[in-house]
Amino acid sequence: EIVLTQSPGTLSLSPGERATLSCRASQSVSSSYLAWYQQKPGQAPRLLIYGASSRATGIPDRFSGSGSGTDFTLTISRLEPEDFAVYYCQQYGSSPETFGQGTKVEIK
Amino acid sequence: QVQLQESGPGLVKPSETLSLTCTVSGGSVSSGSYYWSWIRQPPGKGLEWIGYIYYSGSTNYNPSLKSRVTISVDTSKNQFSLKLSSVTAADTAVYYCAKRGYSYGYGYWGQGTLVTVSS
Repeated sequence: EIVLTQSPGTLSLSPGERATLSCRASQSVSSSYLAWYQQKPGQAPRLLIYGASSRATGIPDRFSGSGSGTDFTLTISRLEPEDFAVYYCQQYGSSPETFGQGTKVEIK
Repeated sequence: QVQLQESGPGLVKPSETLSLTCTVSGGSVSSGSYYWSWIRQPPGKGLEWIGYIYYSGSTNYNPSLKSRVTISVDTSKNQFSLKLSSVTAADTAVYYCAKRGYSYGYGYWGQGTLVTVSS
């Protein structure tokens, strides 16, 4: 099983600032099968990035993904008020599919 | 636009079987190269993939739950279902059904349904 470790656990930032979230895998993940999700309280996760760097339909370009192998990054270039949420990475190229434990982006 | 909707009991007794159904609208569970999955989230915790049924009918389960899980499809009703046997309090969670493509990620989710295991 591929274990995904996200850091930091919590990121305290102000609107307008840049957010950098990390996802590290216990073994190599095919970049085609690495996704990022945003989840707000009481809501289902929302797909932001798939294939490590491709934005899903309707996702603003302030969200970007990068990385390969075992190290992946989600960057939010300028935080908007609606971006404060929990973010999860997920790999779906190896069974079982696994999620990271999440990074909470909170308002400083 | 594909929409998914979970349904089923919100309360299940320990040792019994949890049964949920996901009704799909705006698309067919039996067409296209799609994976129809169940994912759960215990209160205040992270996401756990339970398993999927592929459009062809083949299944794949999380080994941690494999002995207790069955995912099936009813093409006549455009639904897929989850059965989880011998539940305990640790199975209390919000259960989501979701759809992904081969390399696209889970772009479609139901709103989730809370299932509590308690006597």
